[in-house]
Amino acid sequence: DIQMTQSPSSLSASVGDRVTITCRASQSINNYLNWYQQKPGKAPKVLIYAASNLQSGVSSRFSGSGSGTYFTLTISSLQPEDVATYYCQQTYSIPCSFGQGTKLEIK
Amino acid sequence: EVQLVESGGGLVKPGGSLRLSCAASGFTFTNAWMTWVRQAPGKGLEWLGRIKSKTDAGTTDYAAPVKGRFTISRDDSKNTLYLQMNSLKTEDTAVYYCTTESDAARPWGQGTLVTVSS
Repeated sequence: DIQMTQSPSSLSASVGDRVTITCRASQSINNYLNWYQQKPGKAPKVLIYAASNLQSGVSSRFSGSGSGTYFTLTISSLQPEDVATYYCQQTYSIPCSFGQGTKLEIK
Repeated sequence: EVQLVESGGGLVKPGGSLRLSCAASGFTFTNAWMTWVRQAPGKGLEWLGRIKSKTDAGTTDYAAPVKGRFTISRDDSKNTLYLQMNSLKTEDTAVYYCTTESDAARPWGQGTLVTVSS
């Protein structure tokens, strides 16, 4: 099974900051990597699919990059509504494992 | 509007069974590969399994913790996905979500809570 490791596990940043979350796969997953945002009490929402493609309707503040085993999610200018937990997920092979999550808070 | 709505959650005793449903609308369900994901209280997301479309043989895949106890099925005539859960354990307590990547909207349902407790 492929293990997905996110860092950091939690993050506190100021409004307007550039924020980067990383996700590493235990083996190459090409670009089969999605990023999700989950707010408390809500279902996850896709932000980025296939590593770097912005899901329709998602703010252009969000961007994704990477391939192989190393991926990043970047928020260009942090806004209060971005407070959430972020997950990466590989869809390269079964089981389609998730990272453990990164909890993002406003400083 | 693309929508997934889960139902069927509730309180069940250890060793019991429950069937969850996921009603789909707004996209071509027949062609969709459908997935179940769960989230235990205060924990992260866990992929449970998926079912392919019938045109792709309708085969299923499962995560190790639920293989042999959970069964994913679909009724394309009702645009509905199912998750039959047997031999439930306390560690199966979670919110259960259905989702698909087969539609550009990549929707998730709102989730249904399953509590396994005596």
